[in-house]
Amino acid sequence: NAGVMQNPRHLVRRRGQEARLRCSPMKGHSHVYWYRQLPEEGLKFMVYLQKENIIDESGMPKERFSAEFPKEGPSILRIQQVVRGDSAAYFCASLEDSRSQTQYFGPGTRLLVL
Amino acid sequence: EDQVTQSPEALRLQEGESSSLNCSYTVSGLRGLFWYRQDPGKGPEFLFTLYSAGEEKEKERLKATLTKKESFLHITAPKPEDSATYLCAVQGGSNYKLTFGKGTLLTVNP
Repeated sequence: NAGVMQNPRHLVRRRGQEARLRCSPMKGHSHVYWYRQLPEEGLKFMVYLQKENIIDESGMPKERFSAEFPKEGPSILRIQQVVRGDSAAYFCASLEDSRSQTQYFGPGTRLLVL
Repeated sequence: EDQVTQSPEALRLQEGESSSLNCSYTVSGLRGLFWYRQDPGKGPEFLFTLYSAGEEKEKERLKATLTKKESFLHITAPKPEDSATYLCAVQGGSNYKLTFGKGTLLTVNP
């Protein structure tokens, strides 16, 4: 009974490079959320996706950030041209369906931008 | 805009010394209030969901309660393994996203 999986667990990028973070939800879950945790800050909502649909991206920065959840494969959070302020822990959470309310979190990806 | 404030920011207890953590919230139409536990370097681990004022839930040494303005996480006779950051979050209105507080860092000394 695998939980939410995220990879890589740690990612180091230089300024201007691209970062790709992957999330595989729990088996049978079709909804994925991405949150960002900055040092000394709480978890902040970024985006909510269902298979092949972006439901709510109100927490995503307007530039450089994008997310997808294809019909097959993991959800991907993509950050283009990373800057030092993007350094944070990025967590993915999954939800079984729209009737459920409890989100289950993955172990996170720690992104460090040099 | 939904808001969550947790207090205290940090709490040190001796093993066996019971206490409570507070979560105050403002939300437009509460769908649920959630408590998570987060260990260093790990993702939040689900503990409880509370849906309406007056509701209580228990798990081992933890008990969560809910009023219209706040929630408490009561820890009875804590052990060192209860040391972690405890996060409170609300889900409001028609959105499914969670709004989190900054957490309470609990340290239980043997």
